[in-house]
Amino acid sequence: AQSVAQPEDQVNVAEGNPLTVKCTYSVSGNPYLFWYVQYPNRGLQFLLKYITGDNLVKGSYGFEAEFNKSQTSFHLKKPSALVSDSALYFCAVRDVRRDDKIIFGKGTRLHILP
Amino acid sequence: NAGVTQTPKFQVLKTGQSMTLQCAQDMNHNSMYWYRQDPGMGLRLIYYSASEGTTDKGEVPNGYNVSRLNKREFSLRLESAAPSQTSVYFCASSENGGIGTGELFFGEGSRLTVL
Repeated sequence: AQSVAQPEDQVNVAEGNPLTVKCTYSVSGNPYLFWYVQYPNRGLQFLLKYITGDNLVKGSYGFEAEFNKSQTSFHLKKPSALVSDSALYFCAVRDVRRDDKIIFGKGTRLHILP
Repeated sequence: NAGVTQTPKFQVLKTGQSMTLQCAQDMNHNSMYWYRQDPGMGLRLIYYSASEGTTDKGEVPNGYNVSRLNKREFSLRLESAAPSQTSVYFCASSENGGIGTGELFFGEGSRLTVL
C-alpha cells in the first residue's frame, strides 16, 4: 500500500536561512510526488510536483524539491526563508496503478522566525 | 472560474442525523476526491472517483457514502453522524484521471461539528 511520512511535526527556521521539510514515501510503481501548502482557514494550494526527469523540481514562491529514488525521499527546500512562508506543508503521493488514489502525509508546520 | 465549490461551509449536527456535503468542479476534471482533515492526522482520503460512474474507498471510508452524480459533481453523505466525524472536509479534483499526472485543486473546506 502507498504511504507518505513527514517525520517532523514542526520545523522552525530563522528568516533568511535555508529551510528543508522532509518527506519519504512508499509506492509500488513509479511515484508521482507533490507538495501542497495550507494557510490558516484555507484549502490546500499546489506548490510543485515530480513526475519524471530532473530530480530537482522548482515550484511556486521559490520552493524546490529534490527527488531521491534510492532514499525514497522528496524533501522540500527553499534557499532563503520568508516569514510569509509560515504555514502547514503536506507531501502527497499518487499511485496511477491504483486508479489515481492520492495519499497525504500528516503535514509539517513551518515557523519562520523574524 | 469558480474551480471547486463545496457546500455548506459550516454545519452542526446532532448524533444520528444525516447530511450530504456537495461538491462541484467546473474544470472538466475526471477525478474527484473527498478528504477529511483532523489535527495531527493530516489529510485522510475518504472516497475518490477516478472517472464518472466509478467510486472507490480510500483510507477511512466507514460511516460515509458517496455519489458521483455526473462529471462535475461528487457528493459525500453521512447517514448517521457520530462525534468522531467532527472534522474539516475537503473536496478536490484532478485532470486526466487514471492516466495523467495532474495535481489536485481543492475547495475551501466544510467544517462539520457533530454534537
